[in-house]
Amino acid sequence: DQQVKQNSPSLSVQEGRISILNCDYTNSMFDYFLWYKKYPAEGPTFLISISSIKDKNEDGRFTVFLNKSAKHLSLHIVPSQPGDSAVYFCAASRGPRDNDMRFGAGTRLTVKP
Amino acid sequence: DAGVTQSPTHLIKTRGQHVTLRCSPISGHKSVSWYQQVLGQGPQFIFQYYEKEERGRGNFPDRFSARQFPNYSSELNVNALLLGDSALYLCASSPAYTEAFFGQGTRLTVV
Repeated sequence: DQQVKQNSPSLSVQEGRISILNCDYTNSMFDYFLWYKKYPAEGPTFLISISSIKDKNEDGRFTVFLNKSAKHLSLHIVPSQPGDSAVYFCAASRGPRDNDMRFGAGTRLTVKP
Repeated sequence: DAGVTQSPTHLIKTRGQHVTLRCSPISGHKSVSWYQQVLGQGPQFIFQYYEKEERGRGNFPDRFSARQFPNYSSELNVNALLLGDSALYLCASSPAYTEAFFGQGTRLTVV
């Protein structure tokens, strides 16, 4: 069962513009959400997280928004840079100490110079 | 500081064989988790160990087993390999209260 879904397998944006990656989840028990970035031949790298008690978390160029009622979260990257080109995974768990994370299938972001 | 290290990086096995994958967590991290990533999909949770005890298990058959040692390193064992076990196996460590940090993975090919 796919409890976390990333419906866009790919996204292409121009350098300097905003990238918006979306994620939906179905399990209301999830209360901690994470974004990971993955380059080829490397393991996923943690980007940013958000607890369900918040609706926004910002870290530099990266902002995650959470809409609990819609069971939807999004990652905004502003401004996008060519080095951001990678596969982005959304993940959800029942808490920050619960490493039983459920991942989406990923969105491949390409940032064009 | 060294990150999460996994060995070997690549492995080719024959159907029916057994495989052992190894993981050394980041120093100070007591939690280790294992994930399987099949091409085109996100990582799927297999096991979590904390302080040498199993804390969680994903929807994988009993052919998959794991353990954590006193130094917090971990092994993932897979018996009676099937072609469908071909995947990238990822190990992640955490201090148990924050996000997990992943290793580079072990690419297992079953032929």
